[in-house]
Order: sequence, then structure tokens, then C-alpha cells
Amino acid sequence: RKEVEQDPGPFNVPEGATVAFNCTYSNSASQSFFWYRQDCRKEPKLLMSVYSSGNEDGRFTAQLNRASQYISLLIRDSKLSDSATYLCVVNMGGYSSASKIIFGSGTRLSIRP
Amino acid sequence: GAGVSQSPSNKVTEKGKDVELRCDPISGHTALYWYRQSLGQGLEFLIYFQGNSAPDKSGLPSDRFSAERTGGSVSTLTIQRTQQEDSAVYLCASSNRDSTNYGYTFGSGTRLTVV
Repeated sequence: RKEVEQDPGPFNVPEGATVAFNCTYSNSASQSFFWYRQDCRKEPKLLMSVYSSGNEDGRFTAQLNRASQYISLLIRDSKLSDSATYLCVVNMGGYSSASKIIFGSGTRLSIRP
Repeated sequence: GAGVSQSPSNKVTEKGKDVELRCDPISGHTALYWYRQSLGQGLEFLIYFQGNSAPDKSGLPSDRFSAERTGGSVSTLTIQRTQQEDSAVYLCASSNRDSTNYGYTFGSGTRLTVV
């Protein structure tokens, strides 16, 4: 089992739809979680951190389910500009252990007019 | 600088040559990471520097790869005797210690093509 797994997609949804995808992680001791966004041929950019209590940023909602070891990202009222690859990032170690920071291989999202 | 700066942005090299990739992190960021990303793939961790601590080199794929960080700032990733499978985008990211829970900032990468 991979340490961090994502459905590669692509998710192809119409503009205005709500879309959600999950990311599962294998290490129950994982400490912090993020969603990054990566546009084609660009570097990843932090979209949002994922807090234990869940957090929302505009149309984006991130949630953490420690019992089932997954994080989720919900996008409401999707826009054409949301088309990108969404990377799940899990920090399994302490501050001094970057090798325990694992990137998922990403979920491709395509919003159609 | 305002962001993480990487150079060159593109590099085409012949198989067997050595290449050096440079990363200039955000000023004041103590942690610096190198990743690589092959076409259509996820990010692969290479090496991590944190302040004056010994770097975490556990992700370097072979002894042809090495990296150093001078003065706790600029880092250079060196690939000796390049092979075609080294072709990828090499991404550098930096963060300060308090940012571990807040993510890191990536540079725009160096696209390496070995022909």
C-alpha cells in the first residue's frame, strides 16, 4: 500500500458543480496535512492546510478523518480556473524529518463550461 | 528575495555530462528541500537541509547526485554523468521552521533534459 494514495482522476465536471476527492494515508502517526494545487507545467502551490477540526476557505473545504486515515477536499461552485491537479501532502514525521513528507501523485480536475 | 528562485529554468545536456542546478530560497527560511518530478508523475523527495544540521539525503537516487547549501542560503544540486532517466523537473522549496505546519514555497523549477 502506498503511503499516500489519491485517485488520479481525471474528474471532469461542469462549471458550478460541487466536486470532492479524498486522499488516504497509511501512517496513523501522521501529523500535518495539506492540499497543494499544481497547474500544468507549473510548480505546486499551497492551497490550504488541513486542520483536525476541518477548515474552509471560500469555496474550498478541507477535512481530516483520523479514524479512517483520510483527508478530503470539497470544491463548491466550481470555476473553470479550478482546473488543475490537486496534490495531497502528508507529514508523517517531526520537524526534522522532511523525508517523511510525502506527496500524493495528484488528482486531475477538469472543469468544463 | 520575495520567492524561491531557481536557475536555470531549462537545461538541455548531453548524456554523461555533469550539471549544476541552483536554488535561492526565501530570505530567512532555514529549511530547503529538493524534489524532482518526472512527466505526469508525483513529486519525489531528494534531499533536505535544515539550518546547520546534517542534511537528510535519504531520497538521493544514486551517488551521482549530491547537493550542498552554502551559508545556510543558496543550494546547488549536482548531477554527475547524467543519464536519460535523470530528465525531469527539479523543484526546490523552502520554509521556516514554524512553517512546517503551514507548507512550503516552491520555486518554478529547472526542467532538465538529457539527450
